[in-house]
Amino acid sequence: AQKVTQAQTEISVVEKEDVTLDCVYETRDTTYYLFWYKQPPSGELVFLIRRNSFDEQNEISGRYSWNFQKSTSSFNFTITASQVVDSAVYFCALSGAFGNEKLTFGTGTRLTIIP
Amino acid sequence: DTGVSQDPRHKITKRGQNVTFRCDPISEHNRLYWYRQTLGQGPEFLTYFQNEAQLEKSRLLSDRFSAERPKGSFSTLEIQRTEQGDSAMYLCASSSTSGKTYNEQFFGPGTRLTVL
Repeated sequence: AQKVTQAQTEISVVEKEDVTLDCVYETRDTTYYLFWYKQPPSGELVFLIRRNSFDEQNEISGRYSWNFQKSTSSFNFTITASQVVDSAVYFCALSGAFGNEKLTFGTGTRLTIIP
Repeated sequence: DTGVSQDPRHKITKRGQNVTFRCDPISEHNRLYWYRQTLGQGPEFLTYFQNEAQLEKSRLLSDRFSAERPKGSFSTLEIQRTEQGDSAMYLCASSSTSGKTYNEQFFGPGTRLTVL
């Protein structure tokens, strides 16, 4: 069975601070995919990133960066120089492959950026 | 707009009534997924289609739930004899099984169901 744990239920930071959201996963699959989604107050889930289990390179996209470490089964997400518009619930998710692509989500981290 | 669309966005019904939701995926996507999200939780998988074939159903999907994707394009999710426990946000997502965007699941805005 697959499992995703987001231990941080809520985080508040002051605008312009950096913040890291933690994600730990469990799977027995050798091929799997990790995702991050943003859910703003409007409610729609916004796709941010998908990484496969064979690519441990860190990725940076603007103020966002992701750190994938298989050794610790973690896929953490850092927002640099946070902005009020970053306030949302962020979900980490895991899927398998080869017919097992359904997503297993964590319980989410509510991020509040204080102006 | 070529994203995933869902209709209706909100549905209020009385216990025991039947409801049907519709999802229109991104046109070039062959996979379509249904998830359910309750307050304070992450979405949970319900079922998915590849083209018109329904390939997997979660144990969460009781026999009161049925989903179809008759022509491999839009999908419908029907709940019969609704119960208050069915109140949730029903999310649809679509993805492709090929190319650089393999398995990138894009979600629609959801249908929020309230059962009174």
